[in-house]
Order: sequence, then structure tokens, then C-alpha cells
Amino acid sequence: GAVVSQHPSWVICKSGTSVKIECRSLDFQATTMFWYRQFPKQSLMLMATSNEGSKATYEQGVEKDKFLINHASLTLSTLTVTSAHPEDSSFYICSARGTNTEAFFGQGTRLTVV
Amino acid sequence: ILNVEQSPQSLHVQEGDSTNFTCSFPSSNFYALHWYRWETAKSPEALFVMTLNGDEKKKGRISATLNTKEGYSYLYIKGSQPEDSATYLCASNSGGGADGLTFGKGTHLIIQP
Repeated sequence: GAVVSQHPSWVICKSGTSVKIECRSLDFQATTMFWYRQFPKQSLMLMATSNEGSKATYEQGVEKDKFLINHASLTLSTLTVTSAHPEDSSFYICSARGTNTEAFFGQGTRLTVV
Repeated sequence: ILNVEQSPQSLHVQEGDSTNFTCSFPSSNFYALHWYRWETAKSPEALFVMTLNGDEKKKGRISATLNTKEGYSYLYIKGSQPEDSATYLCASNSGGGADGLTFGKGTHLIIQP
């Protein structure tokens, strides 16, 4: 299957700082990228969907000004958690889909805000 | 709002035994049902995508069935091996392939030698 690389795999940051997570499709062009997060013992929850060159569409309850998504190229999408707080500590994972292909997942990022 | 449920939450199976688990999903506005295998520290690996009622798919010792009218899917593993130990995720999407997925919480499978 296709490869999606997500970086970093884990990050610890101080409360009030911002953290950027990258998601790259290594061997295909990702026209659509999805960002999910998972709290302990919960399911993966869709946060937002982004199409290359367009603004992201956010799910209900997800603050677009707090979770900034950029999908400026067909191989890279970034999620920036701005002014992070302890309640933002979670597991974040991206998936990327090309034209007429299934979606492939990155390895995920464990964010801890202290 | 889609609600995908998986059962059981966790399962211990003896090596060599066969096992199965369930995914239920709302049958209205159904588009596709996905099964993933997720090992710790790795990316979820796609096992099956099913769209048609009555679909049955097989990959080695793993197979899956789909009933879209009643909103459930079964995943079967025949002759379990230690390498089958993983979390198995089920996800559904509606409204076409452009939408993100709604996931269940997963079934955590442990194969005991």
C-alpha cells in the first residue's frame, strides 16, 4: 500500500505554546487529507477534512482557529495546535487519499501538553 | 450522526482457534464499511472496504461479511496466530467517498501461544 509519513511521533510542549504536526504522502498525490484525534478509550474522531489548495472543513465542535490546517501541496498537510492546553493532550492521526484511491494513515502523533 | 459500535472490546484467543467480532453501524445513508488492523506504534492497515449488501471478502485467514440492511459486519480470523494480535477497527462513511470515516472503538485481540 501507499506510504503516509507523520511527524513527530510524539511531542511534549508547554501550555500556551503551539505545536505543528506534519503529514506527508510519500509515493502518491494526496488530494484529500483527513485529521483525526483519539482520547483515551475513545474512538478515532474526525476533526477536519482538507482538499489541496482549499480551506479545511471542520467537524462540529472543533475550533478552526485553534487547530490550523494547511494543505498547500499534494504531498503535505500540517496541523498546528495553537496555544495548546492540557485538555488538547491527545493522539492525533492523519490519513491521505488520492484520486480514486482508498485513504492511508500516518503513524500518529502523541501530544502531551504540560 | 453515525454511531459505529464494535464488540467485544477485547478478546483473548488461544493460538490455532478461530474467532470473530462484530461491527454495527447505522444502515441509513450507508456508503462503505472499512476494516483496519492496527498494531501499536504503526499505521492502521486497511484490510477490507465493502460497499454492497451481502459482500464477502477474504484476505488469507481473515474474512469479512457485510449486511447493509440490518447494519452489521463480521470479521473472522481462522486459525489465529500470534501475529494476528492487534486492534481491529471498523469504520463507516456515508455520503460518498469524499467524507471522513466514523470509527468504532475497536476490538483488541490478543492471541495466546
